[in-house]
Formats: sequence, structure tokens, C-alpha cells
Amino acid sequence: DAGVIQSPRHEVTEMGQEVTLRCKPISGHNSLFWYRQTMMRGLELLIYFNNNVPIDDSGMPEDRFSAKMPNASFSTLKIQPSEPRDSAVYFCASSLATGQQAFFGQGTRLTVV
Amino acid sequence: GESVGLHLPTLSVQEGDNSIINCAYSNSASDYFIWYKQESGKGPQFIIDIRSNMDKRQGQRVTVLLNKTVKHLSLQIAATQPGDSAVYFCAEKSGGSYIPTFGRGTSLIVHP
Repeated sequence: DAGVIQSPRHEVTEMGQEVTLRCKPISGHNSLFWYRQTMMRGLELLIYFNNNVPIDDSGMPEDRFSAKMPNASFSTLKIQPSEPRDSAVYFCASSLATGQQAFFGQGTRLTVV
Repeated sequence: GESVGLHLPTLSVQEGDNSIINCAYSNSASDYFIWYKQESGKGPQFIIDIRSNMDKRQGQRVTVLLNKTVKHLSLQIAATQPGDSAVYFCAEKSGGSYIPTFGRGTSLIVHP
């Protein structure tokens, strides 16, 4: 198995632009998570899906952030408009079931200038 | 510009030594614990987990110890190698929660 696949690996964009991060979870996994990692705040959970349905989005910082999971093999995290303080590494992770160990992707390093 | 980030606790060891990384948790209802390893430029990687009905679990070169009385978790790495250099996170989950909560992490530096 190729594991959780994220794209792009790196993204540099200008403030105000729309950014879309993509994730392909491990086949057969029912839970998908989006995390953000910064030096200041560590690893923060943004949103959690179970069976393609958003269960908990309380970690989504603002309305500028949105996430979708149209099917079991694809999810997106969108930031519109992006701001410099959104610069971070964004991880997608999936797990076989709720509460079990999560498998992380390689992350997308986002830089907003 | 971006503010200076908080420094992670750091453990420096010599190659071949045993390493012990500690983690304190606050939720007495936590019933599942996981250790992750994050190498530079990569996502966190599962190492070992333990449920609250156990106090010790062993893997390959790693042992996790759980002390529920003092709410303390440790990860022991035997014969530490340079490839073990990474940031190590503990994560805890309570029965009422869907997902584990991650700690701040500890940076392990292994000197050849």
C-alpha cells in the first residue's frame, strides 16, 4: 500500500489567493483527519471525517477554511482567501476505524507570502 | 514575521545508549495511548500503542510503560541508533472522544 498520499508537497502562494490541498487516504480506512502543524501550536486537529461525513470541525480556525470528502478515496482542504498566518505544514491522516492509530501522509508545506 | 516558536524538550544520547522519553497526561479517563515518531520533513509515524488495561507493552527495540496512578507514559528505546533521531509524540484518547490528542513532542538527538 502506498500509504496516505498528499499533494502538493510544497505550495507557495500570495496572500489572498485560494489554496487547495489534496489527500488520498489508505484504501479501506473509514476515518480521515486534517491536521496543521506549526512550531507555535504543535499538531492541531482541524477536522475529522467518518465514512465521508464531517464529524467534528471545531478545529477549523475560520470560515476561510473548508474541507470536503466527496468519496472514500479523496478529500480536500481549501483556504480562501489565504493569509500569511496560515503558513504551516498540513497533514492528512486516515485510520481503519474511529479511535485507532492514524497513518499520516507526508504533509503539504504551505507558505503564504 | 512569524513569532519564535516554543522550543521542544530535547534528549541527547550517544549511539548505543538506551533512551527514555517521558509524557505526562492529564485526563484520568484516557484509555488508549500511542507513540509516534516524526522525522524531519515527514509525517508522524506510528511506533507503538497501549491500552489502559496494560502497564507495559514491548515492540522491536521499544517498550512503552504506563503508570495510571501518576498519569505518566514513557517510551524506552534500546540501543539507540542515529536513525532514531526524530521528534517523538505521545497521544492519548479517552473513551468519550473520537480521536487521540497529541502532546507537544520531545526531540531525540542521537550522537554517533
